[in-house]
Amino acid sequence: GQNIDQPTEMTATEGAIVQINCTYQTSGFNGLFWYQQHAGEAPTFLSYNVLDGLEEKGRFSSFLSRSKGYSYLLLKELQMKDSASYLCAVKDSNYQLIWGAGTKLIIKP
Amino acid sequence: DTGVSQDPRHKITKRGQNVTFRCDPISEHNRLYWYRQTLGQGPEFLTYFQNEAQLEKSRLLSDRFSAERPKGSFSTLEIQRTEQGDSAMYLCASSRDGEAGELFFGEGSRLTVL
Repeated sequence: GQNIDQPTEMTATEGAIVQINCTYQTSGFNGLFWYQQHAGEAPTFLSYNVLDGLEEKGRFSSFLSRSKGYSYLLLKELQMKDSASYLCAVKDSNYQLIWGAGTKLIIKP
Repeated sequence: DTGVSQDPRHKITKRGQNVTFRCDPISEHNRLYWYRQTLGQGPEFLTYFQNEAQLEKSRLLSDRFSAERPKGSFSTLEIQRTEQGDSAMYLCASSRDGEAGELFFGEGSRLTVL
């Protein structure tokens, strides 16, 4: 079967750094996405990795290791508005997105 | 606003009734997806269109669910004989062709079946 695993919930402090991990087992791999979803709102795109390595975009970075089936999303200089769920999703061999359940990130002052 | 729009945003219905949701994708996007999401879970794939062709339908989707995209533009998702287990957020997303194919989501249609 296909599986995406990420922690259910994490807590971090405003101004700090947090790393959200994602491991996957899918039938094929055609890229990994991270989305942010605030409560009651739709997911919004954060990052896309298809090759191994780190992709940096402002305060957010995403890392991929295809051999390990592993990715992480790194958030720096945390702000209160970063409180949200972070969804990891993998495109399988049929180019369909397989979604994780999301990691709820709680930011404390 | 040129984003993905969905209507209605909220729908409360009695068990056994039919409901229909509409999605207007971003105009230049030829791919359109329907997902269902419940609290604390990621989006669950329902179906996918490339232009007007419905290319894939989830095995989890019962015969009570049907989706159309008649002219390759807007799409409708109909649920017949609703059940309480159908209560969820129904999300529509669109994307361009291509390897990345980042999805742009609408705000969703929240269904409550009493």
